Amino acid sequence: GQNIDQPTEMTATEGAIVQINCTYQTSGFNGLFWYQQHAGEAPTFLSYNVLDGLEEKGRFSSFLSRSKGYSYLLLKELQMKDSASYLCAVRRYGGATNKLIFGTGTLLAVQP
Amino acid sequence: DTGVSQNPRHKITKRGQNVTFRCDPISEHNRLYWYRQTLGQGPEFLTYFQNEAQLEKSRLLSDRFSAERPKGSFSTLEIQRTEQGDSAMYLCASSPRDAPTYEQYFGPGTRLTVT
Repeated sequence: GQNIDQPTEMTATEGAIVQINCTYQTSGFNGLFWYQQHAGEAPTFLSYNVLDGLEEKGRFSSFLSRSKGYSYLLLKELQMKDSASYLCAVRRYGGATNKLIFGTGTLLAVQP
Repeated sequence: DTGVSQNPRHKITKRGQNVTFRCDPISEHNRLYWYRQTLGQGPEFLTYFQNEAQLEKSRLLSDRFSAERPKGSFSTLEIQRTEQGDSAMYLCASSPRDAPTYEQYFGPGTRLTVT
């Protein structure tokens, strides 16, 4: 089976840095995705890690440790528009599907 | 590239009625996924198409649910004899044939309310 855990809610201040953690237990790991979802909207792709290490993309970075089953999303220079739910998702080997298994999401509130 | 589109955006129906949703993926994306999302939860996988072939169905997809992708382009998801537990956001996603990350692009979803 698979299990993905991430904090339910976080609060941070505009201009600050926030780290959202995600731990997972799954067989056949084949990559980890982070998506951003504003209320009532579709998830949008932020980052992808399949090898250990840090991937940086502007204000957003994502880290993966496969041996620890652990990832984090780092958001720098927070802006009010970053208030959203952040979804961690794992892709598993298994036929041709490449389906994603999502965590419950972390609702981030950015305060002035 | 206009993105993944879904229709309708909202649907209110009475318990026991049938509903059908449509998804138009990004053109030339051969992979299409349906997910269901309830409030406060992440999306849950329902089914997957590669071209017109339905290659996987989740156990969440009871026999009241059926999905098609007849010509390998748009897809429909039908729910028969709806129940209040079917109330959710139904998301469609597509991904291209040869992307190294197989990143999935999501549509805006159809929000279903069963009264």
